[in-house]
Amino acid sequence: AQSVAQPEDQVNVAEGNPLTVKCTYSVSGNPYLFWYVQYPNRGLQFLLKYITGDNLVKGSYGFEAEFNKSQTSFHLKKPSALVSDSALYFCAVRDRRRKLIFGQGTELSVKP
Amino acid sequence: DGGITQSPKYLFRKEGQNVTLSCEQNLNHDAMYWYRQDPGQGLRLIYYSQIVNDFQKGDIAEGYSVSREKKESFPLTVTSAQKNPTAFYLCASDHGGEAGELFFGEGSRLTVL
Repeated sequence: AQSVAQPEDQVNVAEGNPLTVKCTYSVSGNPYLFWYVQYPNRGLQFLLKYITGDNLVKGSYGFEAEFNKSQTSFHLKKPSALVSDSALYFCAVRDRRRKLIFGQGTELSVKP
Repeated sequence: DGGITQSPKYLFRKEGQNVTLSCEQNLNHDAMYWYRQDPGQGLRLIYYSQIVNDFQKGDIAEGYSVSREKKESFPLTVTSAQKNPTAFYLCASDHGGEAGELFFGEGSRLTVL
């Protein structure tokens, strides 16, 4: 079955430092992978996606993600974190019936 | 501006009452989805519809019902049969292709008193 795992419930980073939010997936066939961000009491906002091609995907707000097929990972990264990046981040994978399967979410906290 | 509108933003319900959450999109998307969000559990799919007059159960459809009479609208009814309805409900839509991302509404928070 298709699945997504986000192994960290929370990630704490100092402002200006690089950040990584981890995601691993399990799919049959080629994966379609997505990252979303959610601010409190709001809907989810799309950040970036991997469909095919270059393993490094660039997205909104300076975020990027690295697709690693051998490790079945799709980690979200940013070179320099901002306090305003503090939010809940979700990784997702498209399954065979086109449904989007979400991870449990990772709470990112960036301190000044 | 194109987008997805959910209403109401906040809703309180007494036990035993049905309640309907509205979801309207003007993005001309074919597919629409309802997700439920609980703390620490991520998003779980309730129902989805890939075309008008057709919809499928998701992972947690029990106690919920939907209709898709118009392309723009996909209302969700939380019935009295739903054992634990207090949650944040999110509606989303997309074009229906494999590679497209979902667009989300702002959510509706239902509290059962």
